[in-house]
Amino acid sequence: DVKVTQSSRYLVKRTGEKVFLECVQDMDHENMFWYRQDPGLGLRLIYFSYDVKMKEKGDIPEGYSVSREKKERFSLILESASTNQTSMYLCASSPRLHGTNEAFFGQGTRLTVV
Amino acid sequence: QKEVEQDPGPLSVPEGAIVSLNCTYSNSAFQYFMWYRQYSRKGPELLMYTYSSGNKEDGRFTAQVDKSSKYISLFIRDSQPSDSATYLCAMTDRGSTLGRLYFGRGTQLTVWP
Repeated sequence: DVKVTQSSRYLVKRTGEKVFLECVQDMDHENMFWYRQDPGLGLRLIYFSYDVKMKEKGDIPEGYSVSREKKERFSLILESASTNQTSMYLCASSPRLHGTNEAFFGQGTRLTVV
Repeated sequence: QKEVEQDPGPLSVPEGAIVSLNCTYSNSAFQYFMWYRQYSRKGPELLMYTYSSGNKEDGRFTAQVDKSSKYISLFIRDSQPSDSATYLCAMTDRGSTLGRLYFGRGTQLTVWP
């Protein structure tokens, strides 16, 4: 069974902290994505990566960075957490060339910044 | 203008009703069209996908794509309380976008018994 695993379901951090959200997939997918999901705004793409050490900005990259040192792992970093980064964060992966680019999602991390 | 528009609802229907969910899009290069279902506190899961125009049926679910109108639909027949979820449309052109999917905002559906 395919799996995308996010390291935490719930996280509470203080303003100004550096926050790491980890995502691991076991499907050997080339593409990996980080989204945030907010009521009324839907899924918004923060960053994505189509290969190891490669990254592309999505629609809302400000305040975030990413790291992909290994194919199966994609990390989202909040350099200095702020209250407006309180959200549900979803990681996804997809194969690059075949099929429909179906994305497989993790269960999400609900981050609260206080 | 967002590339994909979807009415967020909420939509509330009685059990057994036919549900129609819709999205419009602006990028004529989109070729693959998907519907994801997201239960509360879970990640989205792929429900159906369609390539180019036409219909696709899977049990109680039918996906339709009208590329000339840039309009896609998902129909749910004989809706059940277990269908209560948020439904997100997604689409891609595969080629130039490096596998990126473009999502609608999602429509929240409640089916009451």
